Amino acid sequence: EAGVAQSPRYKIIEKRQSVAFWCNPISGHATLYWYQQILGQGPKLLIQFQNNGVVDDSQLPKDRFSAERLKGVDSTLKIQPAKLEDSAVYLCASSLTGDNEKLFFGSGTQLSVL
Amino acid sequence: AQRVTQPEKLLSVFKGAPVELKCNYSYSGSPELFWYVQYSRQRLQLLLRHISRESIKGFTADLNKGETSFHLKKPFAQEEDSAMYYCALGTGNTGKLIFGQGTTLQVKP
Repeated sequence: EAGVAQSPRYKIIEKRQSVAFWCNPISGHATLYWYQQILGQGPKLLIQFQNNGVVDDSQLPKDRFSAERLKGVDSTLKIQPAKLEDSAVYLCASSLTGDNEKLFFGSGTQLSVL
Repeated sequence: AQRVTQPEKLLSVFKGAPVELKCNYSYSGSPELFWYVQYSRQRLQLLLRHISRESIKGFTADLNKGETSFHLKKPFAQEEDSAMYYCALGTGNTGKLIFGQGTTLQVKP
């Protein structure tokens, strides 16, 4: 089966610029997650969607981060404006129902903010 | 507070030696525990989950609620086991996972 697709693979921007990441989950997976992984740390959940509704965005810095999942399929995560501390790998994952089951991860987007 | 602690950043063993990757959690409810693994240049993927009580690639993990631990064990390490291992805690039925900081396992020939 095709896996979770993410693009771009790498992105380098200057602070205060904006950036967007795209994710296409596995077909039929209702739940989509965006995780942030800072170097040397484990992934941290930013936002979780169930179909096109938000389940959990308690750790999303809403003053600069936004995410949407129109039509309940693919999703975009945006940062505007970016800060140096946003440098990280942004991982997208999906699961069939979201009920503490297996998560399938994408390859991630590595963001460097200079 | 909900937290996962992996005390070792790096664990280095020789091929054939036993391996134990430590994981402790903090959660007041009924936990779901997972081990995820990331091999070099590959995606993060599920290795095993406590509810399945299965052995994957020779690895096992037992949930000890008294010690709030979920240590990953393998009796004889192989070079291909070299990877980054993450312990993760599932809370409630939302699918949200809290990850530990990860342990790099290095198996030397």
